Amino acid sequence: DGGITQSPKYLFRKEGQNVTLSCEQNLNHDAMYWYRQDPGQGLRLIYYSQIVNDFQKGDIAEGYSVSREKKESFPLTVTSAQKNPTAFYLCASTLTGELFFGEGSRLTVL
Amino acid sequence: AQSVAQPEDQVNVAEGNPLTVKCTYSVSGNPYLFWYVQYPNRGLQFLLKYITGDNLVKGSYGFEAEFNKSQTSFHLKKPSALVSDSALYFCAVRDSSASKIIFGSGTRLSIRP
Repeated sequence: DGGITQSPKYLFRKEGQNVTLSCEQNLNHDAMYWYRQDPGQGLRLIYYSQIVNDFQKGDIAEGYSVSREKKESFPLTVTSAQKNPTAFYLCASTLTGELFFGEGSRLTVL
Repeated sequence: AQSVAQPEDQVNVAEGNPLTVKCTYSVSGNPYLFWYVQYPNRGLQFLLKYITGDNLVKGSYGFEAEFNKSQTSFHLKKPSALVSDSALYFCAVRDSSASKIIFGSGTRLSIRP
C-alpha cells in the first residue's frame, strides 16, 4: 500500500548526540515536510522540500538539518545544537495540496 | 506572513448536538485552507480543504467547513456530533503563491454521551 513511513517510532538519545529520523514515501509526491509537535503548541514547521536537492527552512529550523537526495526520502537530523529536542516529530508529503502524514517519531532526550 | 489561530483550546459538546471548531487565518495572497484530525500518538488525517469555488466545503465523516473571506475564517462544523468525533483538530493554511503550510495550535473536541 502507498503511504509514508517514519522510523523509528520511539527513540532515546543522550544529550550531545545527533540523531537522524527517517521519512520515506511511495506516493510519488514532490513536496515533503517536517513538523515538530509539542503539547499545547500545535505543529511547527521545521523544514520543507518541493523538489529533489532543494529545501527551505521553516519557522524553527535551528538545530536541525535535512537532505533530499531522492524524491521518496527526506531524513531529518536533530543535532546537539537543538536545545530542547524532546518532542513528537511528524513527516508529511503532498502532491495537490493536502498533506499525507506518517505515524510520527517520538524522540526523548535523557 | 502566514498565521493561523484556533481560539479555543477545548470544545465540549453533547452527542447529537451540532459542533463548531473555529479557525481564523492570515495570508498575503489567496488562501488554501485545510482541516485535519489527530488521534492519540498518531499522525494527522486529512478531513477537508478549500482551494477555490463554493464557500461551503464537505469532507470526511460528515464534517463541513465554511470559508468566509471577509472574516478570514474557516470554521469546521458538523450537524450532529458523535462520541467517536472526540479528538484533536487542526486548521492549516497555505498561501496560494508558496509551498509553506502552517498549522494552528489545535482544538481538543470532547463529545459527551
